[in-house]
Amino acid sequence: DAGITQSPRHKVTETGTPVTLRCHQTENHRYMYWYRQDPGHGLRLIHYSYGVKDTDKGEVSDGYSVSRSKTEDFLLTLESATSSQTSVYFCAISDGKGFRLGEQYFGPGTRLTVT
Amino acid sequence: DQQVKQNSPSLSVQEGRISILNCDYTNSMFDYFLWYKKYPAEGPTFLISISSIKDKNEDGRFTVFLNKSAKHLSLHIVPSQPGDSAVYFCAASARGGSNYKLTFGKGTLLTVNP
Repeated sequence: DAGITQSPRHKVTETGTPVTLRCHQTENHRYMYWYRQDPGHGLRLIHYSYGVKDTDKGEVSDGYSVSRSKTEDFLLTLESATSSQTSVYFCAISDGKGFRLGEQYFGPGTRLTVT
Repeated sequence: DQQVKQNSPSLSVQEGRISILNCDYTNSMFDYFLWYKKYPAEGPTFLISISSIKDKNEDGRFTVFLNKSAKHLSLHIVPSQPGDSAVYFCAASARGGSNYKLTFGKGTLLTVNP
Protein backbone atom coordinates (compact mmCIF):
# COMPACT_ATOMS: atom_id res chain seq x y z
CA ASP A 1 0.00 0.00 0.00
CA ALA A 2 1.11 3.54 -0.75
CA GLY A 3 2.22 5.43 2.35
CA ILE A 4 -0.58 7.92 2.82
CA THR A 5 -2.01 8.98 6.12
CA GLN A 6 -4.77 11.45 6.90
CA SER A 7 -5.41 13.25 10.15
CA PRO A 8 -7.70 13.48 11.91
CA ARG A 9 -9.70 10.43 10.84
CA HIS A 10 -12.88 11.78 12.40
CA LYS A 11 -13.86 15.29 13.39
CA VAL A 12 -17.00 17.00 14.59
CA THR A 13 -17.01 20.77 14.48
CA GLU A 14 -19.45 23.64 14.70
CA THR A 15 -20.62 25.88 11.90
CA GLY A 16 -18.34 28.87 11.43
CA THR A 17 -15.20 27.34 12.92
CA PRO A 18 -12.01 26.84 10.90
CA VAL A 19 -10.90 23.28 10.20
CA THR A 20 -7.64 21.93 8.77
CA LEU A 21 -7.22 18.41 7.45
CA ARG A 22 -3.77 16.99 6.88
CA CYS A 23 -2.52 14.54 4.28
CA HIS A 24 0.96 13.08 4.70
CA GLN A 25 2.77 10.84 2.20
CA THR A 26 6.02 8.94 2.38
CA GLU A 27 6.19 8.08 -1.35
CA ASN A 28 7.77 11.34 -2.55
CA HIS A 29 5.04 11.62 -5.22
CA ARG A 30 4.76 14.90 -7.04
CA TYR A 31 0.98 15.15 -7.30
CA MET A 32 -1.45 15.35 -4.41
CA TYR A 33 -5.23 15.72 -4.48
CA TRP A 34 -8.13 16.38 -2.13
CA TYR A 35 -11.54 14.86 -2.90
CA ARG A 36 -14.85 14.77 -1.12
CA GLN A 37 -17.26 11.86 -1.33
CA ASP A 38 -20.97 12.40 -0.89
CA PRO A 39 -23.95 10.11 -1.53
CA GLY A 40 -25.15 10.50 -5.11
CA HIS A 41 -22.07 12.47 -6.16
CA GLY A 42 -19.20 10.01 -6.16
CA LEU A 43 -15.74 11.51 -5.76
CA ARG A 44 -15.33 15.19 -6.57
CA LEU A 45 -12.00 16.99 -6.79
CA ILE A 46 -11.60 19.96 -4.44
CA HIS A 47 -8.00 21.08 -5.04
CA TYR A 48 -4.81 19.49 -6.25
CA SER A 49 -1.09 20.17 -6.15
CA TYR A 50 1.50 19.51 -8.85
CA GLY A 51 4.51 20.46 -6.72
CA VAL A 52 5.59 22.33 -3.61
CA LYS A 53 3.71 25.62 -3.47
CA ASP A 54 1.95 24.77 -6.78
CA THR A 55 -1.78 24.23 -6.39
CA ASP A 56 -4.91 24.63 -8.46
CA LYS A 57 -8.67 24.40 -8.06
CA GLY A 58 -10.84 21.42 -8.78
CA GLU A 59 -14.57 21.28 -9.49
CA VAL A 60 -15.82 22.03 -5.95
CA SER A 61 -13.22 24.43 -4.54
CA ASP A 62 -15.50 27.14 -3.09
CA GLY A 63 -15.06 27.42 0.68
CA TYR A 64 -11.78 25.49 0.68
CA SER A 65 -8.12 26.46 0.53
CA VAL A 66 -4.97 24.35 0.39
CA SER A 67 -1.29 24.65 1.07
CA ARG A 68 1.74 22.55 0.26
CA SER A 69 4.96 23.75 1.82
CA LYS A 70 6.68 20.34 1.69
CA THR A 71 6.51 17.46 -0.77
CA GLU A 72 5.06 15.15 1.86
CA ASP A 73 2.28 17.33 3.29
CA PHE A 74 -0.89 18.71 1.70
CA LEU A 75 -3.27 20.65 3.94
CA LEU A 76 -6.95 21.31 3.27
CA THR A 77 -8.52 24.21 5.18
CA LEU A 78 -12.15 25.09 5.61
CA GLU A 79 -11.95 28.73 6.65
CA SER A 80 -15.46 28.80 8.11
CA ALA A 81 -17.11 25.39 8.11
CA THR A 82 -20.70 25.03 6.92
CA SER A 83 -23.10 22.10 7.19
CA SER A 84 -22.81 21.53 3.43
CA GLN A 85 -19.16 20.62 4.01
CA THR A 86 -20.13 17.60 6.08
CA SER A 87 -18.56 14.83 4.03
CA VAL A 88 -15.85 12.22 3.81
CA TYR A 89 -12.60 13.71 2.56
CA PHE A 90 -9.98 11.68 0.74
CA CYS A 91 -6.42 12.58 -0.10
CA ALA A 92 -4.74 10.94 -3.08
CA ILE A 93 -1.24 10.93 -4.53
CA SER A 94 0.27 10.23 -7.94
CA ASP A 95 3.81 10.21 -9.28
CA GLY A 96 2.70 11.08 -12.81
CA LYS A 97 5.36 8.86 -14.34
CA GLY A 98 5.45 5.94 -16.68
CA PHE A 99 2.66 4.17 -18.46
CA ARG A 100 0.23 4.44 -15.59
CA LEU A 101 -0.02 8.18 -15.75
CA GLY A 102 -2.99 9.37 -13.82
CA GLU A 103 -3.13 6.38 -11.48
CA GLN A 104 -3.81 7.71 -8.00
CA TYR A 105 -3.48 6.11 -4.59
CA PHE A 106 -5.89 7.10 -1.87
CA GLY A 107 -5.62 7.65 1.85
CA PRO A 108 -8.07 6.16 4.38
CA GLY A 109 -10.30 9.25 4.53
CA THR A 110 -11.44 11.79 7.11
CA ARG A 111 -15.06 11.89 8.15
CA LEU A 112 -16.01 15.49 8.94
CA THR A 113 -19.30 16.46 10.52
CA VAL A 114 -20.28 20.13 10.77
CA THR A 115 -23.09 20.74 13.25
CA ASP B 1 -22.23 18.46 -16.78
CA GLN B 2 -21.31 14.91 -15.87
CA GLN B 3 -18.45 13.72 -18.07
CA VAL B 4 -18.26 10.21 -16.62
CA LYS B 5 -21.53 8.42 -16.01
CA GLN B 6 -22.32 5.22 -14.19
CA ASN B 7 -26.02 4.87 -14.76
CA SER B 8 -26.60 1.88 -12.49
CA PRO B 9 -26.40 2.88 -8.82
CA SER B 10 -26.48 -0.77 -7.77
CA LEU B 11 -26.07 -4.30 -9.10
CA SER B 12 -26.76 -7.62 -7.42
CA VAL B 13 -25.36 -10.94 -8.69
CA GLN B 14 -25.00 -14.49 -7.45
CA GLU B 15 -21.64 -15.86 -6.39
CA GLY B 16 -19.87 -17.56 -9.29
CA ARG B 17 -21.73 -15.60 -11.97
CA ILE B 18 -20.43 -12.72 -14.05
CA SER B 19 -20.70 -9.12 -12.84
CA ILE B 20 -20.76 -6.43 -15.54
CA LEU B 21 -20.39 -2.82 -14.50
CA ASN B 22 -20.84 -0.13 -17.12
CA CYS B 23 -19.48 3.36 -17.60
CA ASP B 24 -20.05 6.00 -20.28
CA TYR B 25 -18.07 9.15 -20.96
CA THR B 26 -18.68 12.27 -22.98
CA ASN B 27 -15.26 13.95 -23.21
CA SER B 28 -13.44 12.76 -26.33
CA MET B 29 -10.13 13.98 -24.84
CA PHE B 30 -10.16 11.18 -22.26
CA ASP B 31 -7.53 8.61 -23.19
CA TYR B 32 -6.93 6.64 -20.00
CA PHE B 33 -9.57 4.88 -17.94
CA LEU B 34 -9.45 3.33 -14.52
CA TRP B 35 -11.65 1.34 -12.18
CA TYR B 36 -11.44 1.75 -8.43
CA LYS B 37 -12.99 -0.40 -5.75
CA LYS B 38 -14.12 0.99 -2.43
CA TYR B 39 -15.09 -0.80 0.76
CA PRO B 40 -16.99 1.07 3.51
CA ALA B 41 -14.78 3.20 5.78
CA GLU B 42 -11.76 2.75 3.51
CA GLY B 43 -10.19 4.76 0.71
CA PRO B 44 -10.69 3.70 -2.91
CA THR B 45 -8.13 1.23 -4.24
CA PHE B 46 -6.97 0.95 -7.82
CA LEU B 47 -8.30 -2.13 -9.58
CA ILE B 48 -7.52 -2.07 -13.29
CA SER B 49 -6.91 0.44 -16.09
CA ILE B 50 -6.91 0.67 -19.85
CA SER B 51 -5.34 3.02 -22.33
CA SER B 52 -7.30 4.25 -25.33
CA ILE B 53 -4.89 2.44 -27.64
CA LYS B 54 -6.33 -0.85 -26.40
CA ASP B 55 -9.82 -2.29 -26.36
CA LYS B 56 -9.32 -4.90 -23.64
CA ASN B 57 -7.19 -5.41 -20.55
CA GLU B 58 -7.25 -8.43 -18.26
CA ASP B 59 -5.98 -8.97 -14.76
CA GLY B 60 -7.04 -12.25 -13.24
CA ARG B 61 -10.81 -12.29 -12.72
CA PHE B 62 -11.12 -8.67 -13.88
CA THR B 63 -11.38 -7.53 -17.49
CA VAL B 64 -12.03 -4.04 -18.74
CA PHE B 65 -13.39 -3.46 -22.24
CA LEU B 66 -13.24 -0.13 -24.04
CA ASN B 67 -15.43 0.87 -26.99
CA LYS B 68 -14.10 4.25 -28.07
CA SER B 69 -16.65 4.83 -30.81
CA ALA B 70 -19.46 4.41 -28.29
CA LYS B 71 -17.51 6.17 -25.50
CA HIS B 72 -18.29 3.21 -23.30
CA LEU B 73 -16.32 0.94 -21.03
CA SER B 74 -17.26 -2.00 -18.91
CA LEU B 75 -15.72 -4.01 -16.11
CA HIS B 76 -16.31 -7.75 -16.07
CA ILE B 77 -15.72 -9.80 -12.95
CA VAL B 78 -15.70 -13.57 -13.49
CA PRO B 79 -16.42 -15.45 -11.33
CA SER B 80 -17.90 -13.03 -8.83
CA GLN B 81 -17.11 -13.62 -5.17
CA PRO B 82 -18.76 -12.24 -2.00
CA GLY B 83 -15.55 -10.33 -1.26
CA ASP B 84 -16.12 -8.37 -4.46
CA SER B 85 -19.08 -6.63 -2.83
CA ALA B 86 -18.09 -2.97 -2.83
CA VAL B 87 -18.67 0.33 -4.61
CA TYR B 88 -16.92 0.50 -7.98
CA PHE B 89 -15.92 3.84 -9.44
CA CYS B 90 -15.08 4.45 -13.06
CA ALA B 91 -12.57 7.25 -13.69
CA ALA B 92 -11.08 8.92 -16.75
CA SER B 93 -8.07 11.06 -17.50
CA ALA B 94 -6.88 13.20 -20.38
CA ARG B 95 -3.17 12.47 -20.16
CA GLY B 96 -2.23 15.12 -22.64
CA GLY B 97 -2.66 17.60 -19.81
CA SER B 98 0.00 18.36 -17.23
CA ASN B 99 -1.92 17.75 -14.04
CA TYR B 100 -3.17 14.18 -14.37
CA LYS B 101 -6.57 14.88 -12.95
CA LEU B 102 -9.14 12.11 -12.77
CA THR B 103 -12.84 12.57 -13.34
CA PHE B 104 -14.94 10.03 -11.47
CA GLY B 105 -18.38 8.60 -11.99
CA LYS B 106 -20.84 8.38 -9.13
CA GLY B 107 -20.15 4.72 -8.48
CA THR B 108 -22.03 1.43 -8.63
CA LEU B 109 -22.66 -0.65 -5.52
CA LEU B 110 -22.04 -4.30 -6.34
CA THR B 111 -23.50 -6.94 -4.05
CA VAL B 112 -22.44 -10.55 -4.59
CA ASN B 113 -24.79 -12.93 -2.86
CA PRO B 114 -23.48 -16.29 -1.56
